[in-house]
Amino acid sequence: GNSVTQMEGPVTLSEEAFLTINCTYTATGYPSLFWYVQYPGEGLQLLLKATKADDKGSNKGFEATYRKETTSFHLEKGSVQVSDSAVYFCALSPPGYSTLTFGKGTMLLVSP
Amino acid sequence: ETGVTQTPRHLVMGMTNKKSLKCEQHLGHNAMYWYKQSAKKPLELMFVYSLEERVENNSVPSRFSPECPNSSHLFLHLHTLQPEDSALYLCASSQGGLAESTDTQYFGPGTRLTVL
Repeated sequence: GNSVTQMEGPVTLSEEAFLTINCTYTATGYPSLFWYVQYPGEGLQLLLKATKADDKGSNKGFEATYRKETTSFHLEKGSVQVSDSAVYFCALSPPGYSTLTFGKGTMLLVSP
Repeated sequence: ETGVTQTPRHLVMGMTNKKSLKCEQHLGHNAMYWYKQSAKKPLELMFVYSLEERVENNSVPSRFSPECPNSSHLFLHLHTLQPEDSALYLCASSQGGLAESTDTQYFGPGTRLTVL
């Protein structure tokens, strides 16, 4: 079956530090890959996505590259801000199917 | 504001109560979803509706009963719940049908349910 594994949190960083949150997946074929973010008290919202191998998704300074050879979709940001504090979810949808399989989420805490 | 609203935002109910959660999407989307978010567990897909037809029921107990009267509204009817059903219940919608794997899902803010 499909599964997503992401690093345990919380990840604690100082403002302007470099961020990496690891995500690996198991799926048949070429799934679409997503990063969603959940701010306190809110639902999830799409941060970025990539729908085929070697694609790079980017948004708000965050980036992730679809690596088929390592089945990974790691999230990176060069300089985090306090406002980036949230829970980040990696997810996939299998080919021809819109339902999402999520990782457990990684909490990011950024201090001034 | 994602265009998906959920009411109520918070709900406390006893195990013998019957209540309903409501979701409304203002995006003209064709597919709607219910997810359960529990502490320390991945989001769990519960139900999927595509063009008002239920297309997936992910082994959810019968004490949860979904209803989709039209493409903009989705309900989750609750009865005789257990304390372990306490969680955040999230509704989502996406533009295409069930086969659109590249579609973005748009989530509501959720209903925080506590079962006493």
